[in-house]
Amino acid sequence: SQKIEQNSEALNIQEGKTATLTCNYTNYSPAYLQWYRQDPGRGPVFLLLIRENEKEKRKERLKVTFDTTLKQSLFHITASQPADSATYLCALDSSGGYNKLIFGAGTRLAVHP
Amino acid sequence: GAVVSQHPSWVICKSGTSVKIECRSLDFQATTMFWYRQFPKQSLMLMATSNEGSKATYEQGVEKDKFLINHASLTLSTLTVTSAHPEDSSFYICSARANFGQGAFTDTQYFGPGTRLTVL
Repeated sequence: SQKIEQNSEALNIQEGKTATLTCNYTNYSPAYLQWYRQDPGRGPVFLLLIRENEKEKRKERLKVTFDTTLKQSLFHITASQPADSATYLCALDSSGGYNKLIFGAGTRLAVHP
Repeated sequence: GAVVSQHPSWVICKSGTSVKIECRSLDFQATTMFWYRQFPKQSLMLMATSNEGSKATYEQGVEKDKFLINHASLTLSTLTVTSAHPEDSSFYICSARANFGQGAFTDTQYFGPGTRLTVL
């Protein structure tokens, strides 16, 4: 069966450290994978998109990797700050590029001062 | 840019009534919008894909007669929850793909802030 898995347990890290979140999937061949941030009671906010032919993407303190062999994406936040505390969702295109996104359950990140 | 609004942000209604939620793309055209629902501590579940000028495509298990979707213009899609019941209480979120014309769309989705529906 098709699955997207993110670590359901909250990730607690110290301010200034690098947070690494994992997204694994099975039985999908996504054209791209996206990461979103969601704060409580709000809609998701787009962060990064990485395509199947890309290994790594960066944006400021954010970095995403995409390994289509392992069927895994890693999301890194360097020099983390308390303001980075939120739930991070990975989403992959399940429709061969037609933008039908399937979301993981999300990982809650808490950055402590 | 790429702002999506939803109205209302929250609504409380009695069981059996219908509730309409609006989703608007404020500064771009969106031929395709998506409707999701999210239960507490769960992920977003796609309910339907809304296409301007045509019928919505519903995901398996979503009742089209209960969740009526209308996408009458390039900037507005509405979701009407008909004869709402307490089990319909949820957080409803819409998103939109930006249409740049000539068949070009963004792969990212721009999300609205969500609508909290509580059915008593």
